[in-house]
Amino acid sequence: GAVVSQHPSRVICKSGTSVKIECRSLDFQATTMFWYRQFPKKSLMLMATSNEGSKATYEQGVEKDKFLINHASLTLSTLTVTSAHPEDSSFYICSVFLAGYNEQFFGPGTRLTVL
Amino acid sequence: AQTVTQSQPEMSVQEAETVTLSCTYDTSESDYYLFWYKQPPSRQMILVIRQEAYKQQNATENRFSVNFQKAAKSFSLKISDSQLGDAAMYFCAYRSLNRDDKIIFGKGTRLHILP
Repeated sequence: GAVVSQHPSRVICKSGTSVKIECRSLDFQATTMFWYRQFPKKSLMLMATSNEGSKATYEQGVEKDKFLINHASLTLSTLTVTSAHPEDSSFYICSVFLAGYNEQFFGPGTRLTVL
Repeated sequence: AQTVTQSQPEMSVQEAETVTLSCTYDTSESDYYLFWYKQPPSRQMILVIRQEAYKQQNATENRFSVNFQKAAKSFSLKISDSQLGDAAMYFCAYRSLNRDDKIIFGKGTRLHILP
């Protein structure tokens, strides 16, 4: 069964609005989650590492005020795209690192379209 | 910084034949993990195979096997008896030995299976 879920699976919003994407670890506690962005026919680009109970660590070039990450519990991390613009349209994927498996498990992704 | 290079953007193979996907990487670390991930049209990332760098024996998972050449920093994936369901994007990836460190992905190889 699925280890990681994402909600919503796809979202369409108007330019200037904010969109929240949830990433849930099912049945397992996860102190570390990762957020990726994937453009069409491209590879996954790590945006940030989400740490439970502390501030996220952002990769170089990723605007932390634009992409707000909150990891308030051991099973939930949220990515909020603030004041979304068409260039933010992309496929966003989260992953969960499970220490017991020493492996990352990926969510099914969220397709964001900003009109 | 570590890098992962996949020099084959696309490949095609006849059904039931064998195909090898290439991957090279660069690192100054002596211990690490290497992965091959499959991303089918559903966009769900699936772990195909994992290799620990300290292990000399090449990993195998049913029809999937790797040729790990540590000195050459090469990590190719061989798919035997190719099936239509193998059609997907394949990403080579690297992770440091730190248990919760981020995964670095190559740009991917799109594999087509010809019936």
